[in-house]
Amino acid sequence: GAGVSQTPSNKVTEKGKYVELRCDPISGHTALYWYRQSLGQGPEFLIYFQGTGAADDSGLPNDRFFAVRPEGSVSTLKIQRTERGDSAVYLCASSLIAASNTEAFFGQGTRLTVV
Amino acid sequence: AQRVTQPEKLLSVFKGAPVELKCNYSYSGSPELFWYVQYSRQRLQLLLRHISRESIKGFTADLNKGETSFHLKKPFAQEEDSAMYYCALSGGGSNYKLTFGKGTLLTVNP
Repeated sequence: GAGVSQTPSNKVTEKGKYVELRCDPISGHTALYWYRQSLGQGPEFLIYFQGTGAADDSGLPNDRFFAVRPEGSVSTLKIQRTERGDSAVYLCASSLIAASNTEAFFGQGTRLTVV
Repeated sequence: AQRVTQPEKLLSVFKGAPVELKCNYSYSGSPELFWYVQYSRQRLQLLLRHISRESIKGFTADLNKGETSFHLKKPFAQEEDSAMYYCALSGGGSNYKLTFGKGTLLTVNP
């Protein structure tokens, strides 16, 4: 597959549970981004990785949200003690390098529903 | 702070008519501006960026720093242009974060 892959495509979970969302970036892309898109809104930045390290996590809404990229490729977004307000589409994107004019390629997203 | 405003949630035109999707931004420096598009059941993808000054699928967008606008235009809309369009901004240089507008849903009627 040449594109960014996100799994699962849909996730329904109960309030208070823990969830993990996975992102496989395009091979060779060093920069990886997570965005969250709530209904009727544009995507909102959550966190950015350059290689293995989280270079900017200023968009994470609170400490229930955490993301890792241990080998500089696949990334996992982890949400603890989920709340109904966490329901949204979580988008992952990758780019060859982290530069403002570099195209970011997006995955299909994971639709998270907290009931 | 970075902010992008797309004033129209919905825009409906007839095939062959001109179309303009409005985008205004707020940023204190020199931003990079982009238009992303999402066709039905497809992923978000880049349509064009101001730095390239290119025309993609007949669409163009000019950055107007005086009016802080980056409106997307096409002289003759086609049915296949029906999609959700997002205007986005990054701060330039090492500021890679994209700030998106809320999007405009364009419908081109036959």
